[in-house]
Amino acid sequence: GDSVTQMEGPVTLSEEAFLTINCTYTATGYPSLFWYVQYPGEGLQLLLKATKADDKGSNKGFEATYRKETTSFHLEKGSVQVSDSAVYFCALIQYNNNDMRFGAGTRLTVKP
Amino acid sequence: DVKVTQSSRYLVKRTGEKVFLECVQDMDHENMFWYRQDPGLGLRLIYFSYDVKMKEKGDIPEGYSVSREKKERFSLILESASTNQTSMYLCASTVQVNTEAFFGQGTRLTVV
Repeated sequence: GDSVTQMEGPVTLSEEAFLTINCTYTATGYPSLFWYVQYPGEGLQLLLKATKADDKGSNKGFEATYRKETTSFHLEKGSVQVSDSAVYFCALIQYNNNDMRFGAGTRLTVKP
Repeated sequence: DVKVTQSSRYLVKRTGEKVFLECVQDMDHENMFWYRQDPGLGLRLIYFSYDVKMKEKGDIPEGYSVSREKKERFSLILESASTNQTSMYLCASTVQVNTEAFFGQGTRLTVV
């Protein structure tokens, strides 16, 4: 079945450091890919998405590119802030169903 | 803005109790989901519903049931709560297949 694998955390960075959180997936066909973020005490909210190969999703300085050849959707940010501290989830959903699959989540802590 | 509201942020219940978790969305979404979130396991799908009175089992339905009598409301029922059901429960909705999910703020359930 479809699955998502994220790099294990936790990840601790200093403010203004470069962030990469790796995400790879296993899926048939052409799923849509998402990054969700969960701030402390809250539910998940959509950070960015890409619906086809080579699409780049971006939001709030975060970017991720849908790479079909490497089945990856790595999350990057050039300069993280303390307010980016949260748990980040990679997810996929197939084009023809409701079965959304999530990675295990990566906790990011940014220190001043 | 789409709003998904879960009835409680925190619940403490005793082993063997019947527990109801309520979720309401205000954007006329077709699909609704219940996930549980556990450290290191990410989000696991318990049940979802694609229409009123319709339901489908997810990956871990054992010990749970659901009810969707109205389009906007999706209830998760723990028939006889057990300590291994202590977890964070997240409700989500989507307008149609292959679209982003909108999440509630989560209910942290502790079974003692």
